Amino acid sequence: DTAVSQTPKYLVTQMGNDKSIKCEQNLGHDTMYWYKQDSKKFLKIMFSYNNKELIINETVPNRFSPKSPDKAHLNLHINSLELGDSAVYFCASSQRGQVGTKLFFGSGTQLSVL
Amino acid sequence: DAKTTQPTSMDCAEGRAANLPCNHSTISGNEYVYWYRQIHSQGPQYIIHGLKNNETNEMASLIITEDRKSSTLILPHATLRDTAVYYCIAISSNTGKLIFGQGTTLQVKP
Repeated sequence: DTAVSQTPKYLVTQMGNDKSIKCEQNLGHDTMYWYKQDSKKFLKIMFSYNNKELIINETVPNRFSPKSPDKAHLNLHINSLELGDSAVYFCASSQRGQVGTKLFFGSGTQLSVL
Repeated sequence: DAKTTQPTSMDCAEGRAANLPCNHSTISGNEYVYWYRQIHSQGPQYIIHGLKNNETNEMASLIITEDRKSSTLILPHATLRDTAVYYCIAISSNTGKLIFGQGTTLQVKP
């Protein structure tokens, strides 16, 4: 069974549209994250939720809104998509309280905005 | 979190040990050294981490210098499937805010 799963794997859409990416983890972790990898391959954290509570919110435009209905799910909704939003988005999870920060990543969602 | 410096790229012959260096001269006492790798088109994968002592698991070994200013990730018998970008990250133990740099692109050649 896949530990951290994201859907869809590929998302092609027009500028101005609204889209969502879903993420689920079956590891029993209490913390989930969204990372963005741009065309230059830099990975940057966007958000982190711990037990459905937002704990990290990097300087991300308000058009991006994470939603965590329960600790096993963290969805990313993007309004009014722009060309610069094209990137690969990775979901990840970890267990806080344990020594260290061992993150488990999903396989990514490649978003292309035309 | 301490900044890390890694070579941009390295080559390694298949079957040989791959030694990937990382400098973290500003690391503080409560910061761990983490290694992740990203194989093309996949999500990053945790490899190993350590604080002061050398560590070994089924994937790799981590050698940390006594002054903790640098470390080396060792893949003992590199295979073609180890071709990936390897990231060295220094981070305090309780934060989830991993900051990925450019990493080292390791090319394992037959």
